[in-house]
Amino acid sequence: GDSVTQMEGPVTLSEEAFLTINCTYTATGYPSLFWYVQYPGEGLQLLLKATKADDKGSNKGFEATYRKETTSFHLEKGSVQVSDSAVYFCALSDWTSYDKVIFGPGTSLSVIP
Amino acid sequence: GAGVSQTPSNKVTEKGKYVELRCDPISGHTALYWYRQSLGQGPEFLIYFQGTGAADDSGLPNDRFFAVRPEGSVSTLKIQRTERGDSAVYLCASSLRVDTEAFFGQGTRLTVV
Repeated sequence: GDSVTQMEGPVTLSEEAFLTINCTYTATGYPSLFWYVQYPGEGLQLLLKATKADDKGSNKGFEATYRKETTSFHLEKGSVQVSDSAVYFCALSDWTSYDKVIFGPGTSLSVIP
Repeated sequence: GAGVSQTPSNKVTEKGKYVELRCDPISGHTALYWYRQSLGQGPEFLIYFQGTGAADDSGLPNDRFFAVRPEGSVSTLKIQRTERGDSAVYLCASSLRVDTEAFFGQGTRLTVV
């Protein structure tokens, strides 16, 4: 079945460092890909998405490009801030079952001043 | 309300007891989803409602779990004969339609002792 794998955390970075969180997926169809973020004490929020190959999703300085050839959707940010500390979830929704979103296990990010 | 509301925020119950978890979706959202998030894992799909009907309940783990949405708005997730393994955060999400962004509540943390 469809699945999502992402790099294990926790990840600790200094402020203004470059961030990459790796995500790869397995899907039988043509999924849409997402990154969700969960800030401490808050609910899950959609950070960005891409619906087809080579699309780039971006929001709040974060970017991820849908790479069909490598089945990847890595999250990047050029300069992280303390306020980016959160848990990040890579996820997919397959067009054949778009009612459900399949999440990866999450990667915890801590940014220190 | 402004967002998806879930009550209670925390619930502690004894093994074998019955519990109900409530979700108030965003007004006007026809699609409603329940997910379960165990510690250190990503959310796992349980059930999806379109209006009043359960369009996909393939994620419910067994027949102890049941959910209703009688008027197409508020939904209740019901768990009978709770077990310690049911301990998790139960997340509710709603969206305007099934193919639009889902907004998540902050979840109900269920602890079975």
